[in-house]
Amino acid sequence: AQKVTQAQTEISVVEKEDVTLDCVYETRDTTYYLFWYKQPPSGELVFLIRRNSFDEQNEISGRYSWNFQKSTSSFNFTITASQVVDSAVYFCALRTSGTYKYIFGTGTRLKVLA
Amino acid sequence: DTGVSQNPRHKITKRGQNVTFRCDPISEHNRLYWYRQTLGQGPEFLTYFQNEAQLEKSRLLSDRFSAERPKGSFSTLEIQRTEQGDSAMYLCASSSQGVRYNEQFFGPGTRLTVL
Repeated sequence: AQKVTQAQTEISVVEKEDVTLDCVYETRDTTYYLFWYKQPPSGELVFLIRRNSFDEQNEISGRYSWNFQKSTSSFNFTITASQVVDSAVYFCALRTSGTYKYIFGTGTRLKVLA
Repeated sequence: DTGVSQNPRHKITKRGQNVTFRCDPISEHNRLYWYRQTLGQGPEFLTYFQNEAQLEKSRLLSDRFSAERPKGSFSTLEIQRTEQGDSAMYLCASSSQGVRYNEQFFGPGTRLTVL
């Protein structure tokens, strides 16, 4: 069975702090895809990143970085120098090959305080 | 390109009534997904279309739910004999072919309240 766990329900940080959102996934498939989505207060989910199971390179995009570790089945997301606009619910998701079904975690609500 | 649109944005209905939602994907996107999201949860996959073909449907979806995409463009999701447990946000997403096929663009959702 496939599963995505985001153990952090809510995180509060002060602006300019760094914050890491955790994501742990479960799958027996060797080919799979991992995603992060942002859901701001306005409600629409926004795609942030996709990672393939065969590519463990970490990625940095501006203040965002992602750490993919197959050994621990984790795909963590770090925001450096957080800003108030980063306040949102962040979802991690998994899709395995051979299915079009995306499995989302329960999300982590990030509050960045000015 | 105006993004994914969904109508209506809100729907209030009485238990036992039928409801239908519409999704208009981004025009060049041939892949379309429906999800349901309840408070405090992540989106839950309902079904997937590639062009007009419904290729995958969640086993969680009861027979009261049906979705169509007749011409491979817009899609409708119908819920028959609604129950209070159907109250949720119904999300539609679309994606293109090619290397970015996994990148889903979500619509604003239709919030359903069943009284």
